[in-house]
Amino acid sequence: KQEVTQIPAALSVPEGENLVLNCSFTDSAIYNLQWFRQDPGKGLTSLLLIQSSQREQTSGRLNASLDKSSGRSTLYIAASQPGDSATYLCAVLYNFNKFYFGSGTKLNVKP
Amino acid sequence: ETGVTQSPTHLIKTRGQQVTLRCSSQSGHNTVSWYQQALGQGPQFIFQYYREEENGRGNFPPRFSGLQFPNYSSELNVNALELDDSALYLCASEIAGKNIQYFGAGTRLSVL
Repeated sequence: KQEVTQIPAALSVPEGENLVLNCSFTDSAIYNLQWFRQDPGKGLTSLLLIQSSQREQTSGRLNASLDKSSGRSTLYIAASQPGDSATYLCAVLYNFNKFYFGSGTKLNVKP
Repeated sequence: ETGVTQSPTHLIKTRGQQVTLRCSSQSGHNTVSWYQQALGQGPQFIFQYYREEENGRGNFPPRFSGLQFPNYSSELNVNALELDDSALYLCASEIAGKNIQYFGAGTRLSVL
């Protein structure tokens, strides 16, 4: 059974800190992994997509890594800002059409 | 803006009723997936439609059904509503094979 776990469930940091969000998955036969951002009352915004053959992806202050053998991915946010406050979800794609999501990490960046 | 529109934004129903949720995707996005997100949880995959045919289903009973139309719109129908069906329902569209899903803002369903 495919399961996706995110730790921590919530995180509060002062502005300017670098931080790491963690995602683990039980079945390493993934097609790809995506990190999403969800603002309160909104849908999901895709941040980074890592194919199973890749080790990391970068976009601006965000860097996501993937270690399939250990079933882990991390999302690194550099120089955090209050506007980064949101819930961050990781989703693992299996079999071309089934995404499995973690429960998310709720991030609060304090000014 | 993802180009994916869902309606209505909020809906209140009573147990046993039926509900239809709607999603309008970008032109050319021939694949649509529906998800249920309970409060404080990640979205759970309900099913996916590709070219108007169901193309995979998660662990949801048959009272959850869907339709996809040639104009890139789709529907999620839920019969015999239960209290546990209260959730945010998200649709996501994509071009088949690209594996980047564009999500709508969701419909929040409350079942009383």
